Amino acid sequence: SQTIHQWPATLVQPVGSPLSLECTVEGTSNPNLYWYRQAAGRGLQLLFYSVGIGQISSEVPQNLSASRPQDWQFILSSKKLLLSDSGFYLCAWSVASPLHFGNGTRLTVT
Amino acid sequence: KNEVEQSPQNLTAQEGEFITINCSYSVGISALHWLQQHPGGGIVSLFMLSSGKKKHGRLIATINIQEKHSSLHITASHPRDSAVYICAVGPGGGADGLTFGKGTHLIIQP
Repeated sequence: SQTIHQWPATLVQPVGSPLSLECTVEGTSNPNLYWYRQAAGRGLQLLFYSVGIGQISSEVPQNLSASRPQDWQFILSSKKLLLSDSGFYLCAWSVASPLHFGNGTRLTVT
Repeated sequence: KNEVEQSPQNLTAQEGEFITINCSYSVGISALHWLQQHPGGGIVSLFMLSSGKKKHGRLIATINIQEKHSSLHITASHPRDSAVYICAVGPGGGADGLTFGKGTHLIIQP
């Protein structure tokens, strides 16, 4: 069966520090992978999606970036965090449909 | 861009009550998703539908494409149904074009 792992579950980082969130998917080949952010009181916002290794599409211009070094691995990064980067980050995968979500990372930038 | 409105935003009900959550959208779509977000943040996909009605256990989802409206019903509600229910709509089969509602926060009291 397919499983998705996302870590860490919670993270507190100072402004200006780097960020690396990792997501891995097991049990499926060539999934579409997604990074979403959920800010307080707002709906889920798609940040990046990837249809294959090295293929990244960005939906929202910001100081975040994403990479997909392996078919099963999706990484969300930042060189310098801003206060506004605080939120709940979710990784998801799909092959056709539906979406399968990881448990999320709650990021607090202080 | 599609506008997705969910109602009500918050709903508190007694155990056993029949629950209805509504979702309206502004632009024609190919697929609508209902998601359940647990208090810890994890999200589970409940339904994906493009027409008619789907049922899974005590959950029923309906969609009216002409009226651009979907409803999620919960029969014989239980405290474990307490969660945020999110509607998401998309122009095609992929998840990259999804627009999410802000969610309906449901509390079922024993």
